[in-house]
Parts: sequence; C-alpha cells; structure tokens
Amino acid sequence: DAGVIQSPRHEVTEMGQEVTLRCKPISGHDYLFWYRQTMMRGLELLIYFNNNVPIDDSGMPEDRFSAKMPNASFSTLKIQPSEPRDSAVYFCASSLGGVETQYFGPGTRLLVL
Amino acid sequence: QKEVEQNSGPLSVPEGAIASLNCTYSDRGSQSFFWYRQYSGKSPELIMFIYSNGDKEDGRFTAQLNKASQYVSLLIRDSQPSDSATYLCAVSTLGRLYFGRGTQLTVWP
Repeated sequence: DAGVIQSPRHEVTEMGQEVTLRCKPISGHDYLFWYRQTMMRGLELLIYFNNNVPIDDSGMPEDRFSAKMPNASFSTLKIQPSEPRDSAVYFCASSLGGVETQYFGPGTRLLVL
Repeated sequence: QKEVEQNSGPLSVPEGAIASLNCTYSDRGSQSFFWYRQYSGKSPELIMFIYSNGDKEDGRFTAQLNKASQYVSLLIRDSQPSDSATYLCAVSTLGRLYFGRGTQLTVWP
C-alpha cells in the first residue's frame, strides 16, 4: 500500500508569494494532520481533520495559514502571503480511528527567501 | 500548554551498548505514549507505543512507563550504528499528540 503522499517535496519561493502544499492520506484513514518542524520549535501540530472536518486548528500560526480537506483523499495547506519565518519542513500524517497511531508523509521542505 | 520534555542530547553510545532515552510529560491525564524514530532528512516513524505502567518489549526495544512519575523511557539493547537517529517522544492528551523536541542518538562502531 502507498503511504502518505505529499507534494511538492521541495519548494523555494519568495516572500509574499502564495504557497500550496498537498497531501494524500493513506486510503481508508479518517484522520489527517498537518505538522511543521523546525530546529527551534520542534514538531508542531498545525491542524487536524476527522472525516474531512477540521477538529483542532489551534496550532495554525495566523490568518496567513489555511487548510482544507475537500474529500477523504486530499488536503491542502496554503500560506498566503509567505514569509521567511515560514521556512520549515511541513509534514502531513494520517491515522485510522483516532489520533494516536499516525503515519507520516515524506514532508515538504519549504524555503521562503 | 501540554509539555513533553526530552534531553536533546546528543547521546553517544558504542555499538552493542544499551541506549537509554528519557521523556517526562506534564499532564497527568495523558493516556498513551509513543516513540518515533526520525532519521536525518526523513519523516518520523512510529517504533513503539505503551499504554499501561510497566515495560513493553519489542525486539531490541523496550518502552517503560511510570504514570505516577510522569516518565516514559525507551531502551535500545545491542545498539547498532543504524539506530543513529533522533528519537521523539509523543504523548496523547485530550485528543491530540504532543511531541517532545527529540533526543539525538549516535551509535559509534
């Protein structure tokens, strides 16, 4: 079975540009999570969905960040406008039946110049 | 704020030794505890979970939980250079996982 799929794997953009990160969870999983990882702050939960509905978005840093899950097999995380401090690795993870046993995608390395 | 604390390391052990990784958490209501391994430049990978006080063994890995002390540990027996990675402790509390910053482990031949 395919694991969690993320695209793009790398993204370099300039400050002020819009960035869209994409995620396809493992088929059949009903939870989807977006995390951000930096050296300074470690792994932070941004938002998670259950059955396509956002459950906890308390980790979304500010209004520049938005996430959607239009169907069970696709989610996006959008940053508009992007800033250099958004540079990080963004992981998507999915799980079945609860928040606990999460499987991570390969991540998207974002660099905002 | 739910806190999960780990020594950042680096922890360096020789091949064949036992590596001991420790984690403390702040919320007594936490129910489930996880260890993830993250190789450099890769994504976290779940290697162990434990729900009850005591020890849980899986091959060379043993997870230990002491809820009274709010302490979780991971022991790696017969450490191998391939175990060199960052180990993240995660705690499930009120419907979400909280991750520690991780401990970097290096196993030298």
